[in-house]
Amino acid sequence: KAGVTQTPRYLIKTRGQQVTLSCSPISGHRSVSWYQQTPGQGLQFLFEYFSETQRNKGNFPGRFSGRQFSNSRSEMNVSTLELGDSALYLCASSPGGLGGAKNIQYFGAGTRLSVL
Amino acid sequence: GQSLEQPSEVTAVEGAIVQINCTYQTSGFYGLSWYQQHDGGAPTFLSYNALDGLEETGRFSSFLSRSDSYGYLLLQELQMKDSASYFCAVCTNAGKSTFGDGTTLTVKP
Repeated sequence: KAGVTQTPRYLIKTRGQQVTLSCSPISGHRSVSWYQQTPGQGLQFLFEYFSETQRNKGNFPGRFSGRQFSNSRSEMNVSTLELGDSALYLCASSPGGLGGAKNIQYFGAGTRLSVL
Repeated sequence: GQSLEQPSEVTAVEGAIVQINCTYQTSGFYGLSWYQQHDGGAPTFLSYNALDGLEETGRFSSFLSRSDSYGYLLLQELQMKDSASYFCAVCTNAGKSTFGDGTTLTVKP
């Protein structure tokens, strides 16, 4: 079974630009979550999509948005990039639903975004 | 909201046992998970507890006390390759996972 795939792996943008990151979950997984990780920091939760609906949302500004398609693939968009948006963006998929192993997160390798 | 506390750094020697604690505050608690992340890598799942008690998986064990909002990860027979960051994460009944800031474990020879 293929793992979680994130594209691109690396991205360099300038302030003010926008960026779209892509995540293909493990086959059969219906939940996709996005996290931001900066050096020395934990994983900051951005949002979670389940069956094409945003089910949970973190405390990030509206410049951060996402969506999920019918095949469970997800995209995350950041508009009007700021220097502080430079980070590793991780996507994780899980079977979804509630309880037990259904919530275990399987992570992709991440997209490293640098904003200049 | 949710909050988790875990030590920022732990150091131990090869062959030793180390315990990484995690305390949490959350509404709608469903379970506590542990993840390992090596430098430059993605977090990988280690263990999950939904009920009180100890779960053992090889050299790693995880414990949960729901009444104390407390859990720990126990690593035995430490190896150099265990040097990594370890994150506890609470899962709520809304399906949301919130991660702690991570504990950097350094294993010395």
